[in-house]
Amino acid sequence: AQTVTQSQPEMSVQEAETVTLSCTYDTSESDYYLFWYKQPPSRQMILVIRQEAYKQQNATENRFSVNFQKAAKSFSLKISDSQLGDAAMYFCAFSTDYNQGGKLIFGQGTELSVKP
Amino acid sequence: EPEVTQTPSHQVTQMGQEVILRCVPISNHLYFYWYRQILGQKVEFLVSFYNNEISEKSEIFDDQFSVERPDGSNFTLKIRSTKLEDSAMYFCASWGGEQFFGPGTRLTVL
Repeated sequence: AQTVTQSQPEMSVQEAETVTLSCTYDTSESDYYLFWYKQPPSRQMILVIRQEAYKQQNATENRFSVNFQKAAKSFSLKISDSQLGDAAMYFCAFSTDYNQGGKLIFGQGTELSVKP
Repeated sequence: EPEVTQTPSHQVTQMGQEVILRCVPISNHLYFYWYRQILGQKVEFLVSFYNNEISEKSEIFDDQFSVERPDGSNFTLKIRSTKLEDSAMYFCASWGGEQFFGPGTRLTVL
């Protein structure tokens, strides 16, 4: 069975600083997709960034970047220059057949707070 | 920008009652999903729907649940006889190359 584990229930960062959220996953598949979703208090699920496992280059979206370590099955999210609006629950997610409409499997989430 | 919409935003029901949660996926999307998030917990997959039939379902999606696409735009989740433990946020999503989530329906079972 495929699983996603986020070992940090809560994290805190000072505004303008950098924070890294951890995620590990378990799968026997070689081709898959990984995601980070943000869930603010409104509880809307917002896609932050995604990574295809076949791509060696780490994905980047403005202040958000990932460190994808395929051999270690690790997928961490780095948020640079943290802003107050980054405060939210962050979920790591995994999908084996995403480009064919496959489901997402989520981790337990990390609650990020940003201190002014 | 196209978006997935869900109604109602909040539904309160009595245990044992039937509820129907409604979603309007993004037009021309091919796959539709329902996910559930019990308060304080992770988001869990319930069911995916493609070409007018269920393509995959989780063990949570038992006989009390059903999905339907009654017309060309709506996608519904029916819970036949609600239980207290069905209280959760229910998210609809649709896929057209990327999976987009709706804002969710908060279901409270009393």
